[in-house]
Amino acid sequence: QKEVEQDPGPLSVPEGAIVSLNCTYSNSAFQYFMWYRQYSRKGPELLMYTYSSGNKEDGRFTAQVDKSSKYISLFIRDSQPSDSATYLCAMSRRDNDYKLSFGAGTTVTVRA
Amino acid sequence: NAGVTQTPKFRVLKTGQSMTLLCAQDMNHEYMYWYRQDPGMGLRLIHYSVGEGTTAKGEVPDGYNVSRLKKQNFLLGLESAAPSQTSVYFCASRFRGGSYGELFFGEGSRLTVL
Repeated sequence: QKEVEQDPGPLSVPEGAIVSLNCTYSNSAFQYFMWYRQYSRKGPELLMYTYSSGNKEDGRFTAQVDKSSKYISLFIRDSQPSDSATYLCAMSRRDNDYKLSFGAGTTVTVRA
Repeated sequence: NAGVTQTPKFRVLKTGQSMTLLCAQDMNHEYMYWYRQDPGMGLRLIHYSVGEGTTAKGEVPDGYNVSRLKKQNFLLGLESAAPSQTSVYFCASRFRGGSYGELFFGEGSRLTVL
């Protein structure tokens, strides 16, 4: 079993829809939770990060962490064609020097 | 500001050939990493370095070697390429003091082994 599980999709939604992405993980020691966005033929770039359980909002993006269920989510409101990308979840913990464990990535297409 | 630069961006090799991928960062980061990305597998760590002159194995190190002779450069070598090493390779770097491990990635190097 992989340490971090993420449905690779692909996911196709119409413009303006809410996009819901999620990951599950098995190691309860993870403390920091991130979402990276990767455009086609580009490197990943950090979109959001959260520490421990709770919600964090940044514009149209909301990240949620539920440590009790070992489940994290990313919501994109009012999705735009420019949001079309692969979204990778990642997590880290202090006791292994914050080495990141990544999900497989979910490819999202927002149709105009 | 160039950030993390990888060369070459594309390369085609025959089985058994050798090559080196170069990663250069201009952010004065202590830590550097090499990942490979394959469909459905996500990013898998090959090797990493926590400072000049140091290297360590990651999740999938077999068939690869690395060197970190200068703080700004991290080289990934394939001594005898195999078709299973066809992949997209990403270099990343970060500060030692980062609080959660945010990585800065290059744009990737696409390698095909025939």
